[in-house]
This record gives sequence, C-alpha cells and structure tokens, in this order.
Amino acid sequence: DGGITQSPKYLFRKEGQNVTLSCEQNLNHDAMYWYRQDPGQGLRLIYYSQIVNDFQKGDIAEGYSVSREKKESFPLTVTSAQKNPTAFYLCASSRGSNNYGYTFGSGTRLTVV
Amino acid sequence: AQTVTQSQPEMSVQEAETVTLSCTYDTSESNYYLFWYKQPPSRQMILVIRQEAYKQQNATENRFSVNFQKAAKSFSLKISDSQLGDTAMYFCAFMKSPFQGAQKLVFGQGTRLTINP
Repeated sequence: DGGITQSPKYLFRKEGQNVTLSCEQNLNHDAMYWYRQDPGQGLRLIYYSQIVNDFQKGDIAEGYSVSREKKESFPLTVTSAQKNPTAFYLCASSRGSNNYGYTFGSGTRLTVV
Repeated sequence: AQTVTQSQPEMSVQEAETVTLSCTYDTSESNYYLFWYKQPPSRQMILVIRQEAYKQQNATENRFSVNFQKAAKSFSLKISDSQLGDTAMYFCAFMKSPFQGAQKLVFGQGTRLTINP
C-alpha cells in the first residue's frame, strides 16, 4: 500500500546534538512538507519542497535544515541552533497542482534530554 | 497572510448527540480550499472533509457536514450521531487555490472533542 513512513517514532536527543528525522513516501507525490506540532498551537510549517533539489522555508525554519535529493525522501535535521526542539513532527506529501490536501505520516516525537 | 482561528479549545458531548465545531479564517483570496482534519489519540492525521470556496453547496461525508459561510469567513463542522470513535483533536485548515506544485496548508489551533458513553 502507498503511504508515508516516518522514522523513528520516538527520538531522544541530548542538548547540543543534531538529529535527523526520516520521511519516505511511495505515493509518487511531487510536494513534501514538514510540520511541527506543539500543544495549543496547531501545526506550524517548517519547510516544504515541490520538486527534487528545491525547498523553501516555512514559518518556523530557524534551527532546522532539509534536503530533497530524491523524490521519495525529505529528511529533516534538527540542529543545535533550535532552542526548543521537543515537539511532535509530522511529514506530509501532496500531488502537484494539489487541492485535495495532504497525506500525512504517523509522526516522530522528539524529546531533548 | 492567511490565519485560521478555532475558538473552542475543548468540547464534550454524549454519544449519539450532534456537535458543531467552529472555525473562522481570514484571507483576501477569492478562491481557496478549506479542510477539516481529525487527529485521534494515535496522532495520525486523517482528512475528514473538504470544501471548495467557489462551490456554494456545503460538503457532506456521511455523518460529517460543514456550514460554509463565505462572506462571514466561517467554516464549521457538524458531526451527527456522534460515536466514541469520533473522540479526537479536530483541525480546521486553509489552502490557497493551487496552480502548480506545493501549496501550504495553514492550520487552526485545534479543538479537542471528547465523546462520552
């Protein structure tokens, strides 16, 4: 079945370390997105990409980086510059010229210890 | 920039009752799309219903329907005959009309809905 796979489900990071969250899709979708979810704040866009080797900053990109070397993959790196990284991270994808919304992954819970 | 506001942080109803979740949005766009997503305790985001702004007819999906008031920029979700499985966070979301490529979804803060037995 087609879908989006995020891994790992839970991730623990020590302060000062970079960590990479994986997102893979087999839906042949052109566009991919990363959102951060915090209690009471809904989902906020970190980065998005509409084609391979191209990506744009979202509303809260500071302290994060991404790459899009393959259509299927859109990993997110949480760097040590992100001051409050503990959150739930959701990856999503959509077709080009999409107006049907997104398909979401099951998320990664990142905790700084 | 577009904003989406959900003014009800939490709601609770009895099973089989009807419940309405509120959503307002702010935009200068004339054509756009509105969505309701459900996030159950598993945290998987699930699309509930979608509305195209240029369509006057309100969207319906089984027990779920919307009341879309374009002039008032209001997009409420009605759940009829509520079931225990409807317990979840519900997010209202806005998307500008896409031409090509990625289009951002802007989300509200969410409403936590609890269905009691």
